[in-house]
Amino acid sequence: DSGVTQTPKHLITATGQRVTLRCSPRSGDLSVYWYQQSLDQGLQFLIHYYNGEERAKGNILERFSAQQFPDLHSELNLSSLELGDSALYFCASSVTLASGAGGTDTQYFGPGTRLTVL
Amino acid sequence: DAKTTQPNSMESNEEEPVHLPCNHSTISGTDYIHWYRQLPSQGPEYVIHGLTSNVNNRMASLAIAEDRKSSTLILHRATLRDAAVYYCILRDRNYGGSQGNLIFGKGTKLSVKP
Repeated sequence: DSGVTQTPKHLITATGQRVTLRCSPRSGDLSVYWYQQSLDQGLQFLIHYYNGEERAKGNILERFSAQQFPDLHSELNLSSLELGDSALYFCASSVTLASGAGGTDTQYFGPGTRLTVL
Repeated sequence: DAKTTQPNSMESNEEEPVHLPCNHSTISGTDYIHWYRQLPSQGPEYVIHGLTSNVNNRMASLAIAEDRKSSTLILHRATLRDAAVYYCILRDRNYGGSQGNLIFGKGTKLSVKP
């Protein structure tokens, strides 16, 4: 158990819909990262938040957005869903801000949310 | 970002040592070598990391070549639970806020036979 929780575990929805995925980081971790894992693209970084502020964006579509709340949990919002958005979505947390971590910080991953768009 | 190259798949017998290679010929002097693994139906998990010297922890050992252009993750006695995809990832110790994310390649799928 990594200490990172994600809900829901599974989500089935239809094209065009909007869903929200939730992530609670490990106690004390200020950084939250979101990753998408699909069969053809592998694990891809989406977005990084640190202590409530967006720090970096990766291959995140404009239809997707995220936020980190004062209690440090994070939500990933996916809208106008398409079949190709079906994937596993993982969040990870780490204690440090990326800069200054010296390349040594460890990311702890949650169990993921499996999204199926029909 | 410096790239890593790993074999697509490897097989091992249970209770035998496993050596998982990683090539990173363009590694910079400030890159740490990290290993993560992903068990079936789970999120990735940290295994080990190192800079120049060999490293050991309860999960594995990391052997780093003297020129740092390659490294090897060593599982001393493979168990069925070690069947997973293993990712070798480089992380710059001087990175800024935009580079804190992990960049995953395809990794090596390790199968362990009983």
